[in-house]
Amino acid sequence: RKEVEQDPGPFNVPEGATVAFNCTYSNSASQSFFWYRQDCRKEPKLLMSVYSSGNEDGRFTAQLNRASQYISLLIRDSKLSDSATYLCVVNEKTSYDKVIFGPGTSLSVIP
Amino acid sequence: EAQVTQNPRYLITVTGKKLTVTCSQNMNHEYMSWYRQDPGLGLRQIYYSMNVEVTDKGDVPEGYKVSRKEKRNFPLILESPSPNQTSLYFCASSNQGWTGREQYFGPGTRLTVT
Repeated sequence: RKEVEQDPGPFNVPEGATVAFNCTYSNSASQSFFWYRQDCRKEPKLLMSVYSSGNEDGRFTAQLNRASQYISLLIRDSKLSDSATYLCVVNEKTSYDKVIFGPGTSLSVIP
Repeated sequence: EAQVTQNPRYLITVTGKKLTVTCSQNMNHEYMSWYRQDPGLGLRQIYYSMNVEVTDKGDVPEGYKVSRKEKRNFPLILESPSPNQTSLYFCASSNQGWTGREQYFGPGTRLTVT
């Protein structure tokens, strides 16, 4: 089993749609969780951190379920500019600060 | 402007010819790291550095070397590149460790080894 798994995608949705991405991680000792966004052939950029209580930033909502080792990202009212690959990122504190990226889920928002 | 820079951005080379990809950050970050990104595999950590003169292996260190002589620079060295090192490489930096901290990425270096 991969350490961090994501929906394979791609997701093709119309403008205005609500889309949800899921991510699971294998190590129950994982400590920090993030969603990054990566535009085609560009560097990843932090979209939002994910907290146990859930957090919201405008149209974006992230949730963490530690018991199920599951992270989600919800995008409401999708815009064309949301088209990108969304990366789930997990930090583990092992013998060092280990950073694990999921393979990413591609989103295309269609006019 | 706070940023991470990488050079070169694109490189085509031949098997066995040593090369260095430079990485520099101007945010006074302690932590720096190198990743490679391959289709379907996501970003995988090659090496990381917690501070000057402190480096350690990530998940895929074979065939790579790094050094951290100054806080701002973290070059990636391929002593004898091979075709399986053809990839998109990213350098990243973070303040005081990865856990709970945002990573700032460079623009990437696309390497092709023939």
